[in-house]
This record gives sequence, C-alpha cells and structure tokens, in this order.
Amino acid sequence: DPKIIQKPKYLVAVTGSEKILICEQYLGHNAMYWYRQSAKKPLEFMFSYSYQKLMDNQTASSRFQPQSSKKNHLDLQITALKPDDSATYFCASSQEGRNSDYTFGSGTRLLVI
Amino acid sequence: SQWGEENLQALSIQEGEDVTMNCSYKTYTTVVQWYRQKSGKGPALIILIRSNEREKRSGRLRATLDTSSQSSSLSITGTLATDTAVYFCAPGAGSFNKLTFGAGTRLAVCP
Repeated sequence: DPKIIQKPKYLVAVTGSEKILICEQYLGHNAMYWYRQSAKKPLEFMFSYSYQKLMDNQTASSRFQPQSSKKNHLDLQITALKPDDSATYFCASSQEGRNSDYTFGSGTRLLVI
Repeated sequence: SQWGEENLQALSIQEGEDVTMNCSYKTYTTVVQWYRQKSGKGPALIILIRSNEREKRSGRLRATLDTSSQSSSLSITGTLATDTAVYFCAPGAGSFNKLTFGAGTRLAVCP
C-alpha cells in the first residue's frame, strides 16, 4: 500500500485556472514537503512544514499556497496557472530532525495548456 | 560526477557491469543520502551514509563519504536492467531538515 498518496496522478489545466494538488501521508511523520521537477530543472524544493506550520518557503510566487488541514495532509493550491507551471509535483515526508531521510509520493503530473 | 549546478549526467552500460557514480557538494554535512528515481515514480532512498562510516554497503550497493573533500560515491556491482533510473545524491539538511538534490545521474543498464 502506498505510504504517501498524491491525487490526482495526472492533471490538465487551462492557463489562468486554479488547481489543488492533494497529499496524504500514513507514515506518522511530522514534517512534510513539496518539490517540483521539470525537464528544465531538477528536483526543486518548494515548501516544508513541521507540525502543520510553514518552516521554509523557497517559492518566489504567491500563486503557490500550501494548505495543511490535518497533520498528515499537505495540499498545494496553485492559482492563475501558467504553462511554465507544467511539471511533476512531488510530496514528501520525514520525521522532523536533522538528516532524516525522506519518503516521496509518486507525484502529480501537471500540464497547463 | 554530480555537482550542485551541473547538467544531468548520463551513463549507459551493459547488464552485469559495475558502475560508480560520484557526487560533490558545497556545504558541510555529516550525512549524504542517495536516492533512486525510476521512470514515473518519486525518488526513493537507497542508502544513507554518515561521516563516521566512510563506507556503507547494502546488497549490491556501496556508498563512500569523504567529508574532507566534500564528496560521496555510489557503486553498484553486477548491474541489472532494473537498476535503470536516475540517481541523486543529497547532502544532509541544514538547520531544518531540507534536502537539496543535485541534477542526478541517469543510468541506463542494457540487457
């Protein structure tokens, strides 16, 4: 059974629209993250949360907003979508603490047309 | 070898061969994690090595860590076609457990 569930697996969106990417983890971890991966850039850190609080934000655009409604959830809301937002978005989790290893989900592949 | 801003490296070898991938990093760390990403999947941890280990083995995998030169290597012996993937090294996190990944090494193992 997948330990980190990301939904949907594939997503096609129209430029200017808004989408929410879902992430749930069942590992009992207290830290969660979002990464983005595209052909142009390798795995790029976006956000980190610990105990449902934002710890680090490396995303320049406010169009990307993480949302944590439960301690094992970290969704990603993206507004005013642009074609450049097309990428695979990975959710990950870990135990909080220095040098903990990450468990990644299978990703949501987003295409903005 | 991988480096913070290097382009993706690519290797193509025959099944059964041994391969070594190298990684250099810029910031001091006492831990390096190696991840493998297969097509259509998220990265998965395959080996984690700490500075007090210098070398760590897991099955056909062997990792080394040299903190003085800020470099790590990952070796795979007797490669299989199923080892085909992109391999990333990730130096241990900074003040808050944030992993930064390099461009990775794309390994193709041909049967």
